[in-house]
Amino acid sequence: AQSVAQPEDQVNVAEGNPLTVKCTYSVSGNPYLFWYVQYPNRGLQFLLKYITGDNLVKGSYGFEAEFNKSQTSFHLKKPSALVSDSALYFCAVRERYGQNFVFGPGTRLSVLP
Amino acid sequence: DAGVIQSPRHEVTEMGQEVTLRCKPISGHDYLFWYRQTMMRGLELLIYFNNNVPIDDSGMPEDRFSAKMPNASFSTLKIQPSEPRDSAVYFCASSPRQGLGGGGGYTFGSGTRLTVV
Repeated sequence: AQSVAQPEDQVNVAEGNPLTVKCTYSVSGNPYLFWYVQYPNRGLQFLLKYITGDNLVKGSYGFEAEFNKSQTSFHLKKPSALVSDSALYFCAVRERYGQNFVFGPGTRLSVLP
Repeated sequence: DAGVIQSPRHEVTEMGQEVTLRCKPISGHDYLFWYRQTMMRGLELLIYFNNNVPIDDSGMPEDRFSAKMPNASFSTLKIQPSEPRDSAVYFCASSPRQGLGGGGGYTFGSGTRLTVV
């Protein structure tokens, strides 16, 4: 069965500093991995995905994520955080031949001015 | 395209009443998903449809919950009778078939915030 863990409920970072939001997963075979962001009173928005190829994928708003197969991780990163990045971030995994995503519990990111 | 459209945005109802949530997916998307989000349980998949047919409803919490998709452009999630513990934000999402190329993921609606008092 697929599962996604986001070990931190909350991440606080100062504006301008680099940020990392952690994600580990469990899935049979090679996974498809995604990050979504949720702003207050909004639905989830797609940020980026890993399908195959380069382990570092770049997405919207300057975010990137690094796929590490040996550690079964897909951490979200940004070199310089903005206050406007403050939101709830979800990691998701999908099996290669499936249609259903499994979402992690979410990590609340607060970027402090 | 206007995206996934959910209505109403907010619903406050009394315990025991019937509640119907509505969703219009993106045109051409084959899949439609209903999720529930709470602080305690996070984001839970309730049910999803492929070409209007329910594929997996194992996440539906109990018989008080039912979902239908009478056509490709409309789906409903009904709770009858509603209870205070049903209070949550309910999201609808749609997607094209997720091919081996990975797909673009889901497109979510803005959600319906349900409060049962």
